[in-house]
Amino acid sequence: DTEVTQTPKHLVMGMTNKKSLKCEQHMGHRAMYWYKQKAKKPPELMFVYSYEKLSINESVPSRFSPECPNSSLLNLHLHALQPEDSALYLCASSQRGEVTYEQYFGPGTRLTVT
Amino acid sequence: RKEVEQDPGPFNVPEGATVAFNCTYSNSASQSFFWYRQDCRKEPKLLMSVYSSGNEDGRFTAQLNRASQYISLLIRDSKLSDSATYLCVVNRGSSNTGKLIFGQGTTLQVKP
Repeated sequence: DTEVTQTPKHLVMGMTNKKSLKCEQHMGHRAMYWYKQKAKKPPELMFVYSYEKLSINESVPSRFSPECPNSSLLNLHLHALQPEDSALYLCASSQRGEVTYEQYFGPGTRLTVT
Repeated sequence: RKEVEQDPGPFNVPEGATVAFNCTYSNSASQSFFWYRQDCRKEPKLLMSVYSSGNEDGRFTAQLNRASQYISLLIRDSKLSDSATYLCVVNRGSSNTGKLIFGQGTTLQVKP
């Protein structure tokens, strides 16, 4: 089973709102990732968690705040976003983070910032 | 130069055709290589990892040429359901941090 789940599927939020995206995997993977994908572009890495610790932050603005409560869960807290942050946000997981194993993606959250 | 380069296409082929996609990568220290497919408005799905000796999975064959820093994907007997964007994916550099770099993708449209 290679299932990664994400909620919500769609999210519309104003620039002053605070919201959170959630991701869950039950494959026993120890690395989890957040990606951002704009239309007709490839996914761009935002954050990597390895063994529940933040190992990579790709210079993401502080209005995006990741959290990894346990090895199965990954959150992305959103605050004071801009319209250009509208995109598909993808979560992925892999067996480990320090070795490049295959990554499995969730269905994504389609975010619109108004 | 982009880290991972692909011909964006689109490739329009009839059912049953054989089609090949190519990809080049710039970092000679990269060690992990993958092909993903992505359907419109869906998430990327792993198609296959690419190994130095080349590997095959049904109608799909992947090849790696480290000397030329070149990866290929061959699809035989194309089906309508193969229509998608195919992403060439490479890990960034020799330090295995899980950082993947995605090519821009090659669009395939298989027509009846």
